[in-house]
Amino acid sequence: QLQLQESGPGLVKPSETLSLSCTVSGGSISSSGYYWGWIRQPPGKGLEWIGSIFDRGGTHFNPSLKSRVTISVDTSTNQLSLNLSSVTAADTAVYYCARRFPLGYCRGGACPSFDTWGQGTLVTVSS
Amino acid sequence: QSALTQSASVSGSPGQSITISCTGTSSDVGSYNLVSWYQQHPGKAPKLMIYEVSQRPSGVSDRFSGSKSGNTASLTISGLQAEDEADYYCCSYADGDTVVFGGGTKLTVL
Repeated sequence: QLQLQESGPGLVKPSETLSLSCTVSGGSISSSGYYWGWIRQPPGKGLEWIGSIFDRGGTHFNPSLKSRVTISVDTSTNQLSLNLSSVTAADTAVYYCARRFPLGYCRGGACPSFDTWGQGTLVTVSS
Repeated sequence: QSALTQSASVSGSPGQSITISCTGTSSDVGSYNLVSWYQQHPGKAPKLMIYEVSQRPSGVSDRFSGSKSGNTASLTISGLQAEDEADYYCCSYADGDTVVFGGGTKLTVL
């Protein structure tokens, strides 16, 4: 059974870079047709798609975050990574990694259906 | 890219049916049958309930159904049960190869 687990610092200072990892177990992160996403949720607020990475390393990002986001896959460690630079208090949120639902259709590399999620990790931006 | 619009809250009694709406634009919900719905209990990760407007993943109760008309997608829950009390989020593909979520609707089972 596929499982995802986010990890990383729980506290990041303003203007620094937030770096998170998502360890995939029970399957290969680079299996054919892979598609992984990062989604976040500020405390008490709704979900926000950050971006996705898919087969052969293609990426799509939320336009509002695009200039600050990097997403990558490390096949040697079976991990997905997220880097978000120049963070502010507005980036305080629970960050989730997720896998695209295999039966869900995608368009242009953007998929709105995620069926396997990590438990989420809270990142607070504060000095 | 703006968030899809959902009512903040909805409530119903056990056994009743409720509908949660999700309004977008011709750049997202209105032009693509790529709307998903998620259920989220407090402190938990979201769970996929509906994909492609009206499809249910294996294991999701048939009390949950989805539909779409114009720029508005809807999630209907019939035969409300206590365990349905949660937050519900719609999600859609949007122009420019992006993904947009709704603001969420809190369902209270009275």
